[in-house]
Amino acid sequence: EIVLTQSPGTLSLSPGERATLSCRASQSIRNNYLAWYQQKPGQAPRVLICDASSRVTGIPDRFSGSGSGTDFTLTISRLEPEDFAVYYCQQSGSSPWTFGQGTTVEVK
Amino acid sequence: EVQLVESGGALVQPGGSLRLSCVVSGLNFNIYWMGWVRQAPGKGLEYVANINQDGNQKFFADSVQGRFDVSRDNAKNSLYLQMNSLRAEDTAVYYCAKWNFAFDSWGQGTPVTVSS
Repeated sequence: EIVLTQSPGTLSLSPGERATLSCRASQSIRNNYLAWYQQKPGQAPRVLICDASSRVTGIPDRFSGSGSGTDFTLTISRLEPEDFAVYYCQQSGSSPWTFGQGTTVEVK
Repeated sequence: EVQLVESGGALVQPGGSLRLSCVVSGLNFNIYWMGWVRQAPGKGLEYVANINQDGNQKFFADSVQGRFDVSRDNAKNSLYLQMNSLRAEDTAVYYCAKWNFAFDSWGQGTPVTVSS
């Protein structure tokens, strides 16, 4: 199975700052089938990005995804108070699908 | 409005079985792949299984392969997860989710606790 490793584990930033989250795969992800999710405490996850770089309808344009092959990045251009949460990457290029372990974006 | 509502979570003894259900409304259920994702207490998300529109293609995480089965009833807009030979490490909140290039709609989750 493809192992997804997210870094850093925790990102401590202030509102207005830029956040850069990494997701590295143990092998190339077919067709860049990589999604990013946001999860807040007590809530179900919400998808932000699919196919590595396609923003889902309704997601603010401060969220962007990039990368291909084994290296992917989620960027939040300017953190808003509601963006402090846990972020997960997930691949669907190879079965079984897998999630990364998550990156927590916390208030500095 | 799209709604996914899971049920069936419970406290069960190790080695026991449980069947989770997920009723979906507000969308054309039979044209989407569906899946199950779980989250152990204080831990991250873990893919469990997914199933195609007709129910004739099923895929599972290595950790549940051979113990869990996923099925659907398109006439009832329902998704199921049959869990057998349950272990303590299966303790988690189980989410059903609709697949459309990603898991783009989620239920609120149903808790499963495996303990004696």
